[in-house]
Amino acid sequence: QVQLVESGGGVVQPGRSLTLSCAASGFTFRSYGMHWVRQAPGKGLEWLTITSYDGSNKYFADSVRGRFTISRDNSKNTLYLQMDSLRPEDTAVYYCAKDRAHWGSGYFDLWGRGTLVTVSS
Amino acid sequence: EIVMTQSPATLSVSPGERATLSCRASQNIINNLAWYQQRPGQALTLLIYDASTRATGVPARFRGSGSGTEFTLTISSLQSEDFAVYYCHQYNTWPPKYTFGRGTKLEIK
Repeated sequence: QVQLVESGGGVVQPGRSLTLSCAASGFTFRSYGMHWVRQAPGKGLEWLTITSYDGSNKYFADSVRGRFTISRDNSKNTLYLQMDSLRPEDTAVYYCAKDRAHWGSGYFDLWGRGTLVTVSS
Repeated sequence: EIVMTQSPATLSVSPGERATLSCRASQNIINNLAWYQQRPGQALTLLIYDASTRATGVPARFRGSGSGTEFTLTISSLQSEDFAVYYCHQYNTWPPKYTFGRGTKLEIK
């Protein structure tokens, strides 16, 4: 079954770290670029970061550059998002999404259902 | 940043009728636009890319049109499964600064 399943969300205190995972199945994970997108409560979708198929190229949105890190383990078909120095405004549902191509085609042809991260003391 | 504005925020349409959803970009994005559908509790699914190309498996009743700054998603003869939230997404920028609209909720009238 072709799918992406996020995990690792939860409640975390401001300033702490959290790592999200995205398990891929049903397609050749190592051949595609991957993204993280989030949606804060009552807000729109916000693109965060992309990694190329082999992890050698990455870009970040200004809002998370320097605090978030994207990585992947192609042997485990898994994408990661390490989030440091978390802020209350990082509270959101976090989605992983598959790029149509190996690197930055622009749009996403498969999404996960998301995992909720709540940053609160 | 390219701002994507979707209208209306909520659209009430009867089953079997046509729905027209709009998306406007704050600057020219050529045809680098995608549409996604999100049903309650489900993952987003790709409907349209490059403004007018249907993704694999998407029914022909979904039609994307437009270029530049004005785009439309038309759903003819609405089915029960079409009542959902629809998002537009521009990918005209590189390095990527992709942005999305706030969504249009299509509800049963």
